[in-house]
Amino acid sequence: GAVVSQHPSWVICKSGTSVKIECRSLDFQATTMFWYRQFPKQSLMLMATSNEGSKATYEQGVEKDKFLINHASLTLSTLTVTSAHPEDSSFYICSGSFGNHNEQFFGPGTRLTVL
Amino acid sequence: SQQGEEDPQALSIQEGENATMNCSYKTSINNLQWYRQNSGRGLVHLILIRSNEREKHSGRLRVTLDTSKKSSSLLITASRAADTASYFCALARGNAGNMLTFGGGTRLMVKP
Repeated sequence: GAVVSQHPSWVICKSGTSVKIECRSLDFQATTMFWYRQFPKQSLMLMATSNEGSKATYEQGVEKDKFLINHASLTLSTLTVTSAHPEDSSFYICSGSFGNHNEQFFGPGTRLTVL
Repeated sequence: SQQGEEDPQALSIQEGENATMNCSYKTSINNLQWYRQNSGRGLVHLILIRSNEREKHSGRLRVTLDTSKKSSSLLITASRAADTASYFCALARGNAGNMLTFGGGTRLMVKP
């Protein structure tokens, strides 16, 4: 099956700093990548959708200036949480899909803790 | 809400028993997918059922879809302790490409 990796798997940072999370599709070209946020014992909430070479489409309520998404290649997308605050602490999960394939392939997630 | 709603929110059963989880939704869909998530991990795709299908099987998993009732169910037969996880339904809307909207999830615990 298609494999997606994320790095780092967990990160702890101080309030006010920026954190970059990488999402890579290892054995397929992800024409579309998705970023989700998941709070404890809750479902995944879609943050944004990005197509390679295009600007990301953000869901309502997600600040595009705070959560910067770059999808510069078919195998790499990055999410940068700028000026992180404790309320940004969450589990961030990316996924990739290709062509008209209906399935999304998920990364293992990144746990962000902002002190 | 366009999000799927799942019930029960939590389910605890003994090993060997069957587990049934339900997902209801309000919008039209292109397909409905079920995913599994172990605690603190990413999601694993289980089954995709298209809007013109009524039932699909994969090993010990059986998924049904009733588009008239806008509901789906996931049945895990002969459960094992290793099936302990959260299970999510995800809706794929026809005009939204590959975008998925996830339900609230069912936390399944299978006791050995």
